[in-house]
Amino acid sequence: AQSVTQPDIHITVSEGASLELRCNYSYGATPYLFWYVQSPGQGLQLLLKYFSGDTLVQGIKGFEAEFKRSQSSFNLRKPSVHWSDAAEYFCAVGADYKLSFGAGTTVTVRA
Amino acid sequence: DAGITQSPRYKITETGRQVTLMCHQTWSHSYMFWYRQDLGHGLRLIYYSAAADITDKGEVPDGYVVSRSKTENFPLTLESATRSQTSVYFCASTPGASGYNEQFFGPGTRLTVL
Repeated sequence: AQSVTQPDIHITVSEGASLELRCNYSYGATPYLFWYVQSPGQGLQLLLKYFSGDTLVQGIKGFEAEFKRSQSSFNLRKPSVHWSDAAEYFCAVGADYKLSFGAGTTVTVRA
Repeated sequence: DAGITQSPRYKITETGRQVTLMCHQTWSHSYMFWYRQDLGHGLRLIYYSAAADITDKGEVPDGYVVSRSKTENFPLTLESATRSQTSVYFCASTPGASGYNEQFFGPGTRLTVL
């Protein structure tokens, strides 16, 4: 069975600084990998996804993620954080039509 | 309006009562899902459905019942609510069986069981 670990429960970053969120997955085959964002009181929105091809994936809102098979990782990055990026971020691995989510990382942005 | 909606958005109930959470999508997506979100656990799959009249258990199905008589609706029922079922519940849908398909999420229902 697939699983996802997000090692950081909470990250605080200054506005304008870079952000990196870590994600490690466990899956026997080539994984489908996703990053979702949840703003306070909202549902989840897809930021980006990866299955094959270029290991650097671009998403919405200026986010990107890099797939590293050797490290079983799919870390999310943003070069310059905006206050509106304060949210909870979930990494997920897909198998068939089901997703397994990590526990999430809460991002706080300070002025 | 197009999309996926959930009702109610907030619900307070008492232990032992039956509660039904509604989910409706307008895309005619085949697959629908119910998740619960709890601190430290992320989202965990309760039940899913591949089509009308086809449902199956997810990771945490105990205490929940689902049905899907129409493609667009996927209600989740707590037959006898317990305090451990206090959570935020999300419904989601996706058009096909590929694991690469994006799942689209509703806004969630915050359920409190007293």
